[in-house]
Amino acid sequence: GNSVTQMEGPVTLSEEAFLTINCTYTATGYPSLFWYVQYPGEGLQLLLKATKADDKGSNKGFEATYRKETTSFHLEKGSVQVSDSAVYFCALPSGAGSYQLTFGKGTKLSVIP
Amino acid sequence: DAGVIQSPRHEVTEMGQEVTLRCKPISGHDYLFWYRQTMMRGLELLIYFNNNVPIDDSGMPEDRFSAKMPNASFSTLKIQPSEPRDSAVYFCASSLPGQGLRGNTIYFGEGSWLTVV
Repeated sequence: GNSVTQMEGPVTLSEEAFLTINCTYTATGYPSLFWYVQYPGEGLQLLLKATKADDKGSNKGFEATYRKETTSFHLEKGSVQVSDSAVYFCALPSGAGSYQLTFGKGTKLSVIP
Repeated sequence: DAGVIQSPRHEVTEMGQEVTLRCKPISGHDYLFWYRQTMMRGLELLIYFNNNVPIDDSGMPEDRFSAKMPNASFSTLKIQPSEPRDSAVYFCASSLPGQGLRGNTIYFGEGSWLTVV
């Protein structure tokens, strides 16, 4: 089945720093790719997604580009805020025709003032 | 619109007791998922339903765990008897059908935080 590998954390950054969280995938075909975010004490929520190669998903200042050449979907933000402190999960459909997502292990981000 | 609603939000119980977690999915969603999250194992899919029918329960850790979905708006996850190693956050989630490789957004509840002492 499909799988994702994301960089292990935790990641600690100062406010206004540049953020990159790496995610690479192994998949049959070209599935949609997702980033979810989990704020402290809450469930996971969709941050952004891309449905085909070269698509760029964006939301709340975060961006990720679907790169089939490097099988990557890295999450980036130009200037992080304290409120971005959370755990970030990369995900993709578990297989062709699958109705469930396979999630990465999550990367915890802490942003300090 | 209301999201996925879970109850209880927090539960502390003694080892050996029965625990029942409840979930109301988003109206109109055909798929319902139960996940467990721990520091050691991360996010694990326990079971999922399509149109109230269990499709894949291979993630259910053992016979002490059972899940039901008697109708489209309600599901339960039961642990009997509970053990300290069951302490975790249990998430319910729901979605519309994915379309092949496109997948679809899964919507999570806020979780039930279970502590077994």
